[in-house]
Amino acid sequence: SQTIHQWPATLVQPVGSPLSLECTVEGTSNPNLYWYRQAAGRGLQLLFYSVGIGQISSEVPQNLSASRPQDRQFILSSKKLLLSDSGFYLCAWMIRRGVPGAEAFFGQGTRLTVV
Amino acid sequence: AQSVTQLGSHVSVSEGALVLLRCNYSSSVPPYLFWYVQYPNQGLQLLLKYTSAATLVKGINGFEAEFKKSETSFHLTKPSAHMSDAAEYFCAVSDPSRKRGGADGLTFGKGTHLIIQP
Repeated sequence: SQTIHQWPATLVQPVGSPLSLECTVEGTSNPNLYWYRQAAGRGLQLLFYSVGIGQISSEVPQNLSASRPQDRQFILSSKKLLLSDSGFYLCAWMIRRGVPGAEAFFGQGTRLTVV
Repeated sequence: AQSVTQLGSHVSVSEGALVLLRCNYSSSVPPYLFWYVQYPNQGLQLLLKYTSAATLVKGINGFEAEFKKSETSFHLTKPSAHMSDAAEYFCAVSDPSRKRGGADGLTFGKGTHLIIQP
């Protein structure tokens, strides 16, 4: 069966420090991968998605970047965190195109607090 | 472009009462529709999905939803609320034409926080 791992679960970082959040998927190949941010009352905001190694699409201009160094690994990074980067970050995967009505599967999330 | 509107950021019901969470969608074609549940500090878990088979869809934990094309709605219901149902609920849509091959994933509503009163 497929599983998705996301870590760390919680993180407190000072303003201006770097960030690296990691997500890995097991039990599937060639998934589409996603990073979402969730802020109170604002739902899920899609930040980045990837259809393959090294292929990153950005949905919203950010202080953040993403990378996909391996097929089932997705990393969210920042060189210098801002207070506004605080939030709950969720990684997700979906099966590649061709499956009608495919759902997204989510990791457990990372609570990031920038202080 | 597709979008989802969830009416009511917070819904409060008494334990044992009917749960009704509203979701309306906008899509150029009949979409695929999903309901997810999120417990505090956890990821999202799929409750149910509509993929153009039966219009009444049954999911986990006693929830069900009905697709009504004429009303562009996909409301989530449960006959009798339980304290364990307290959570955040998200409606999501996917366009079958799968813009960009569907790579941009699902479009989510802003969520409804369900509160269960004892």
